[in-house]
Amino acid sequence: DTAVSQTPKYLVTQMGNDKSIKCEQNLGHDTMYWYKQDSKKFLKIMFSYNNKELIINETVPNRFSPKSPDKAHLNLHINSLELGDSAVYFCASSSQGSGANVLTFGAGSRLTVL
Amino acid sequence: SQELEQSPQSLIVQEGKNLTINCTSSKTLYGLYWYKQKYGEGLIFLMMLQKGGEEKSHEKITAKLDEKKQQSSLHITASQPSHAGIYLCGADMDDYKLSFGAGTTVTVRA
Repeated sequence: DTAVSQTPKYLVTQMGNDKSIKCEQNLGHDTMYWYKQDSKKFLKIMFSYNNKELIINETVPNRFSPKSPDKAHLNLHINSLELGDSAVYFCASSSQGSGANVLTFGAGSRLTVL
Repeated sequence: SQELEQSPQSLIVQEGKNLTINCTSSKTLYGLYWYKQKYGEGLIFLMMLQKGGEEKSHEKITAKLDEKKQQSSLHITASQPSHAGIYLCGADMDDYKLSFGAGTTVTVRA
């Protein structure tokens, strides 16, 4: 049973479209994250949520809107997709936001914008 | 600018040889994490270091954090093909914010 699962794994779409990536964790963690990994493999935090509340928003364009309906889910909706949005998006979760902050990652969702 | 500097960016090692990856911060690290990523997969947690001078080992991988808590190294002894991948160091930059270095791509040649 996958601890952090993301869907879809692959997503190919045209510029200007709107798309969503879903994430679910079954670890009972109270903090969830979205990271973006670019073509150079640099992993950058986008958002973190604790108990469904937005904690960190790393100057991400407002075309990106995360939504956490409950502690186990954190979805990412992207409006008006641009070429630069092409990347691998990783969802992660942890049991606490500070201290021993060991993150468990999903397998990633590769988004390609044409 | 990146808060964590990793070196080297990539390395190729012959199977059976040792390798070392470094991670440096200009700030004191209160939690330093090492992760490994295989191609097309998510990150797998390897080790966490919190105390100055701390050293941890798991199988053939050893991670150290210096006394000043600004530099960490990851050492692999007698590398195997299974050690190939991208190694990333991460650090707690703020509550609820784990930031990563740019990663080191390791290739193990048979």
